Amino acid sequence: EVQLVESGGGLVRPGGSLILPCTASGFTFSSYSMAWVRQAPGKGLEWVANIEQDGTRKYYLDSVEGRFTISRDNTKNLLYLQMNSLRGEDTALYYCARVAYSYGPFDSWGQGTLVTVSS
Amino acid sequence: SYVLTQPPSVSVAPGQTATITCGVKNIGSKSVHWYQQRPGQAPVVVVHDDSDRPSGIPERFSGSNSGDTATLTISRVAAGDEADYYCQVWQTSDRAVFGGGTKLAVL
Repeated sequence: EVQLVESGGGLVRPGGSLILPCTASGFTFSSYSMAWVRQAPGKGLEWVANIEQDGTRKYYLDSVEGRFTISRDNTKNLLYLQMNSLRGEDTALYYCARVAYSYGPFDSWGQGTLVTVSS
Repeated sequence: SYVLTQPPSVSVAPGQTATITCGVKNIGSKSVHWYQQRPGQAPVVVVHDDSDRPSGIPERFSGSNSGDTATLTISRVAAGDEADYYCQVWQTSDRAVFGGGTKLAVL
């Protein structure tokens, strides 16, 4: 069974940093592109970033580029989102998601980890 | 910026057919994926690549995509279908975009 488990969320002050790990299991992690998708309270889904299978290519939402870094460790089946210079508008539930195939759907999702940016 | 437009809400009586649209110029040239999100839960794919259904998704869920509009159709709607529905595509820049979401209410 495919499982994605996010952790690392919490309350952080504006300008602060946080790193979100996502632990993957039940599939060959290194064979899939992975992504982070967020959802602000009461709002819709927003794609944040994705990373290709070998970690060489990464893509970001314009509003997080330069502040967030997506990375992965294929030896440990871990996906990460390093978030710096956090802003109030980054407050959201952050989901780790698997990309089924190139330009395919996000076919597996974690349950999310909540990040709250507030003073 | 690339914006996928969905109606904020759709209401339908049980047993009837719900139609949820997702629009942007020339969306027919892209593959559209649809997600169902029930309250407090993670999204689930209900239709991928315009009209394909993952295993375990009822045949009542179907999709189409042409011109400037993609459509998710749910036939014989039941109370359990009440949820938020999102369309999603990949831009040529390898960035994903979601629609704003549609809340389906079963009257």
